[in-house]
Amino acid sequence: GESVGLHLPTLSVQEGDNSIINCAYSNSASDYFIWYKQESGKGPQFIIDIRSNMDKRQGQRVTVLLNKTVKHLSLQIAATQPGDSAVYFCAENRSYGGSQGNLIFGKGTKLSVKP
Amino acid sequence: DTGVSQNPRHKITKRGQNVTFRCDPISEHNRLYWYRQTLGQGPEFLTYFQNEAQLEKSRLLSDRFSAERPKGSFSTLEIQRTEQGDSAMYLCASSGTRVGELFFGEGSRLTVL
Repeated sequence: GESVGLHLPTLSVQEGDNSIINCAYSNSASDYFIWYKQESGKGPQFIIDIRSNMDKRQGQRVTVLLNKTVKHLSLQIAATQPGDSAVYFCAENRSYGGSQGNLIFGKGTKLSVKP
Repeated sequence: DTGVSQNPRHKITKRGQNVTFRCDPISEHNRLYWYRQTLGQGPEFLTYFQNEAQLEKSRLLSDRFSAERPKGSFSTLEIQRTEQGDSAMYLCASSGTRVGELFFGEGSRLTVL
């Protein structure tokens, strides 16, 4: 039978367009959120983080938005490039400043960039 | 290359055998983490060290799993009496002062036949 989890949500965008990757989290006690990028055959790579006392944070070509009311997180990538093709994971931490070992990762979204 | 090194990169073993993975973190990082990742899933936390002290262990870490970081530098993850369900990518990461910014290695892929 079909195995849930082998079918990642996918997003296909044209090179140069903006990408928006969404993530929902479940625990309202989570106070720190991170986005990671994982290319094929490699470990996840840190992109950007945001604390729960913020709504928005910008990096180089990336913006993370946090909506605590609906427990939603998004990653926006401006002017998407072929090198952005990867699986993107959101992760949450439930005890910023205390125990820092346990990041809870989502299932991931596969971004494909068409040239 | 993040600077975190894992060995071996691939390990194929028969059910019931023991395997050991090694992780060399970034030298100035005092935090070290082990995660497990299966196909199509995000990484799952296994355990965490600060220096040589193992501070957290996931319920996923059964008594067949043991991790050590004897001198606060490299770490080993041993799986005893391997089962087919142990087949996965085992990821090591280290971090410095910035919480949540983990530097992952490329992983050790385990296949249990």
